[in-house]
Amino acid sequence: KAGVTQTPRYLIKTRGQQVTLSCSPISGHRSVSWYQQTPGQGLQFLFEYFSETQRNKGNFPGRFSGRQFSNSRSEMNVSTLELGDSALYLCASSWPTEPGQGTDTQYFGPGTRLTVL
Amino acid sequence: GESVGLHLPTLSVQEGDNSIINCAYSNSASDYFIWYKQESGKGPQFIIDIRSNMDKRQGQRVTVLLNKTVKHLSLQIAATQPGDSAVYFCAENTGGGADGLTFGKGTHLIIQP
Repeated sequence: KAGVTQTPRYLIKTRGQQVTLSCSPISGHRSVSWYQQTPGQGLQFLFEYFSETQRNKGNFPGRFSGRQFSNSRSEMNVSTLELGDSALYLCASSWPTEPGQGTDTQYFGPGTRLTVL
Repeated sequence: GESVGLHLPTLSVQEGDNSIINCAYSNSASDYFIWYKQESGKGPQFIIDIRSNMDKRQGQRVTVLLNKTVKHLSLQIAATQPGDSAVYFCAENTGGGADGLTFGKGTHLIIQP
């Protein structure tokens, strides 16, 4: 099976711009989670989508948003970029599990390296 | 604050020796733990997981130990190889579906020839 793919792999933007990142999960996986990775804060959970609905959300401002399509592909958007948004954005997919029925093993993509100038 | 942490930011071992990477967690409600390996320029790669109803699980050259009494998790890598050089993260999930994993800061494993 092909792994999780993310596009683009690298992106350079300037402050105030907005950006959209894309993630294609492993075939058959319906849950997609997004994480931000920085040297200072490490890996932090952004949000998770399951069946086109946001199921969980981390502690990030409203400038960070996402969506999921019927084919489970997901996008995340960051509006009004700030210098501190420079990070590696990781997408992870997992086999669907209904809430309260156990936990999922998440498989990560290679990430999108976003640099904000 | 950080609910999952690692004791050492860097661990240096000789090639062929066994490596032990430690992790402490603080959320007693966590019921699922995962170890990930991240090589430079790549996303985290799943190594092994363990659920809270177990205290040991073995994979190929790796063993994860869970001590719920002291909320401690460890990853043991047997016969460490150069390809094991990476940053290793432990992660926890408190259950109820994919609520988002909480990661530790990571331990950088360096293999000395």
